[in-house]
Amino acid sequence: KAGVTQTPRYLIKTRGQQVTLSCSPISGHRSVSWYQQTPGQGLQFLFEYFSETQRNKGNFPGRFSGRQFSNSRSEMNVSTLELGDSALYLCASGGGPGNTEAFFGQGTRLTVV
Amino acid sequence: AQSVTQLGSHVSVSEGALVLLRCNYSSSVPPYLFWYVQYPNQGLQLLLKYTSAATLVKGINGFEAEFKKSETSFHLTKPSAHMSDAAEYFCAVSDLSGNEKLTFGTGTRLTIIP
Repeated sequence: KAGVTQTPRYLIKTRGQQVTLSCSPISGHRSVSWYQQTPGQGLQFLFEYFSETQRNKGNFPGRFSGRQFSNSRSEMNVSTLELGDSALYLCASGGGPGNTEAFFGQGTRLTVV
Repeated sequence: AQSVTQLGSHVSVSEGALVLLRCNYSSSVPPYLFWYVQYPNQGLQLLLKYTSAATLVKGINGFEAEFKKSETSFHLTKPSAHMSDAAEYFCAVSDLSGNEKLTFGTGTRLTIIP
């Protein structure tokens, strides 16, 4: 069974640009969550989608957005990139309500220069 | 709001010695608790989880954790450390409202001394 796939693995962008990250969950999973990991702030929850609906959102500015498609694949977008957006972005796949286990992808390392 | 506190951002143990990583939680209701491990430039791998079935939880790679409600703790242990255990470990608590948001601790970097 294939795991959670995140693309691309590495990305370098310039301040002011926008970026789109992709996450393909485990087959059959309908929940996708996104996290930002930085040395200073640790692991912070961005948002969670289930069956194309955003169910929960973390405390991030509106520049961070996401969506989920009918095949459960998810994308997150960051507009007007800032240096502080440099981070490892992790996607987690889950079975949905009542399912207690989240499976993480290897992450996308975003560097903003 | 739920939260977890990991005591000790860095822990060093000798190979073959006991590993003890500390985690305390704060929750108004019985929580679900997790330990994840992260190797350099990798995602998070689930070591074990507590979901109220049994207070002593056994996980992968010889790790286990005990849920102690009276101490609001969920410490991770391994009887004998191996070089391959060197990594960063995160304790996490889940929101039981039905969604799957995880709140993580700040992590503990485990170093194994040969």
